[in-house]
Amino acid sequence: GQSLEQPSEVTAVEGAIVQINCTYQTSGFYGLSWYQQHDGGAPTFLSYNGLDGLEETGRFSSFLSRSDSYGYLLLQELQMKDSASYFCAVRDRGRDDKIIFGKGTRLHILP
Amino acid sequence: EAGVAQSPRYKIIEKRQSVAFWCNPISGHATLYWYQQILGQGPKLLIQFQNNGVVDDSQLPKDRFSAERLKGVDSTLKIQPAKLEDSAVYLCASSLSREYNEQFFGPGTRLTVL
Repeated sequence: GQSLEQPSEVTAVEGAIVQINCTYQTSGFYGLSWYQQHDGGAPTFLSYNGLDGLEETGRFSSFLSRSDSYGYLLLQELQMKDSASYFCAVRDRGRDDKIIFGKGTRLHILP
Repeated sequence: EAGVAQSPRYKIIEKRQSVAFWCNPISGHATLYWYQQILGQGPKLLIQFQNNGVVDDSQLPKDRFSAERLKGVDSTLKIQPAKLEDSAVYLCASSLSREYNEQFFGPGTRLTVL
């Protein structure tokens, strides 16, 4: 079957660094994406990893290890506006073309 | 560039009634997705279109849900009849094509079934 695991909640302090992990199990892994969603808002795309390694976009970085079926999102210089839910999503092109989202990690930022 | 448009934004119906949602993707985007997001969970893909063809609808409850994208542009998702457990936000997203992994989401339709 297909599944994604990510922590339900993470708390960090403003200005600090936080890492949100995601492990997955799929039959035809194609790539890992990350989305941010504020309360009442729509998900917005943050990053995509198709190959192993680190992708950096400003304060956000995302990492993928295909051999470990593992990825993470790294947020640096945390700001209060980063308080949101973060979802990892896997594209599975095994038997068909499916996109599976994790249940999300709620990030709480303390001043 | 205009984003993904959805209507209505909110809908309240009673169980066993029918409801339809409309989505207009970003101009030029070939791939359109419908998701169901229940409170506190991640989006669940219901159906994926490439132009006006269905790529994947394996998680669409076909006994009550239907979707179409007749001219390869806008799309409608229908529920008939609705059940209490269909209460959720229905999100439409689009991307340039299946090969592009960045999806642009609309604001969603919040459905409450009483």
